Amino acid sequence: DTGVSQDPRHKITKRGQNVTFRCDPISEHNRLYWYRQTLGQGPEFLTYFQNEAQLEKSRLLSDRFSAERPKGSFSTLEIQRTEQGDSAMYLCASKQGTSTDTQYFGPGTRLTVL
Amino acid sequence: AQTVTQSQPEMSVQEAETVTLSCTYDTSESDYYLFWYKQPPSRQMILVIRQEAYKQQNATENRFSVNFQKAAKSFSLKISDSQLGDAAMYFCASGAGSYQLTFGKGTKLSVIP
Repeated sequence: DTGVSQDPRHKITKRGQNVTFRCDPISEHNRLYWYRQTLGQGPEFLTYFQNEAQLEKSRLLSDRFSAERPKGSFSTLEIQRTEQGDSAMYLCASKQGTSTDTQYFGPGTRLTVL
Repeated sequence: AQTVTQSQPEMSVQEAETVTLSCTYDTSESDYYLFWYKQPPSRQMILVIRQEAYKQQNATENRFSVNFQKAAKSFSLKISDSQLGDAAMYFCASGAGSYQLTFGKGTKLSVIP
């Protein structure tokens, strides 16, 4: 059973650098979500895709953030010109097409911006 | 818009005892779903139990059950016969349709041997 996978698991970068994270959803899931979780908080929604279409973006997703899901399979989340406030766990989740289905989460990518 | 509130930042329970974690929510959706997720330290978030709002019967999964009070917008989680492996952060979440989940801030559960 291959669940949601994320790469890398940990990323340390210097302020001002660009970083890119990858998420591979469960293969038959057509919806993919990105969340951000800071210490002591619950996950907060960033954006979601249905197949390759990005259907919604949170106001948390500043113009330094961009997400793609080419061909409706894996997704990437890029942060440009990272800031210390970007330090967080970035979670990816996926689910089937129907509204009743559960979102399944990956292990997350922990970003530390020095 | 949806909001989820977990008023207990930390809880503890003796092994084999029962504990209840509280959650209240607010939503403008008429058709929605409620979830409890568990996040062990440094491990990924996994689903514990889910409840469809249109169902009156409370969901049960082995030692985990919910008390869903729709009018009061309350959705508590009861863990029976607590085990050491139950120690984790527990997040209550609400969702509707294809949309994102809205999470509470979480409750850290400790299990005392």
